Amino acid sequence: QKEVEQNSGPLSVPEGAIASLNCTYSDRVSQSFFWYRQYSGKSPELIMSIYSNGDKEDGRFTAQLNKASQYVSLLIRDSQPSDSATYLCAVSNYGGATNKLIFGTGTLLAVQP
Amino acid sequence: DGGITQSPKYLFRKEGQNVTLSCEQNLNHDAMYWYRQDPGQGLRLIYYSQIVNDFQKGDIAEGYSVSREKKESFPLTVTSAQKNPTAFYLCASSMVANQPQHFGDGTRLSIL
Repeated sequence: QKEVEQNSGPLSVPEGAIASLNCTYSDRVSQSFFWYRQYSGKSPELIMSIYSNGDKEDGRFTAQLNKASQYVSLLIRDSQPSDSATYLCAVSNYGGATNKLIFGTGTLLAVQP
Repeated sequence: DGGITQSPKYLFRKEGQNVTLSCEQNLNHDAMYWYRQDPGQGLRLIYYSQIVNDFQKGDIAEGYSVSREKKESFPLTVTSAQKNPTAFYLCASSMVANQPQHFGDGTRLSIL
């Protein structure tokens, strides 16, 4: 079992729709969770951090964390073609088994105009 | 302007050659990291440093070396022992080890 799992996609949504990206993790002691956006050929850019159960909203982005079920999700409202990118989930495992930030392989999002 | 600067943007390595990738940050971050990304794959940790003059191996350290003589600098050397060096190399930093990491623009390394 991978430590951080994401569906590779592509996830295709029409412009204006809600895109829902999901991530599961294996280590229960994980404390911090991050979403990065990576455009093709570019470096990852941090878009959201979440540390406690529940929802965290920032503009069109909402991160959701459920530690009991060991999943974290990212919702993108009113999706735009400029949101088309790979979204990486990262889980902080400091103090846990591997003591580092662990990245998933990413979900490719394609927003259709 | 605070940020992380990686250079060069593109680099070509000849057979048997060592090459060094530069990473400089002016964010006053303690922790710095090197990752490798291959097409269609996730980030794999090569080396990391949580403080000056100290660094630890990541998951794929073989064939690579680093130094951390200054807080703002964390160069990565890809040695001739790394037989498959073609990849996108990303340097990152964070205030301390468990804080969000921020990335430079990356260096693309290819072999001639």
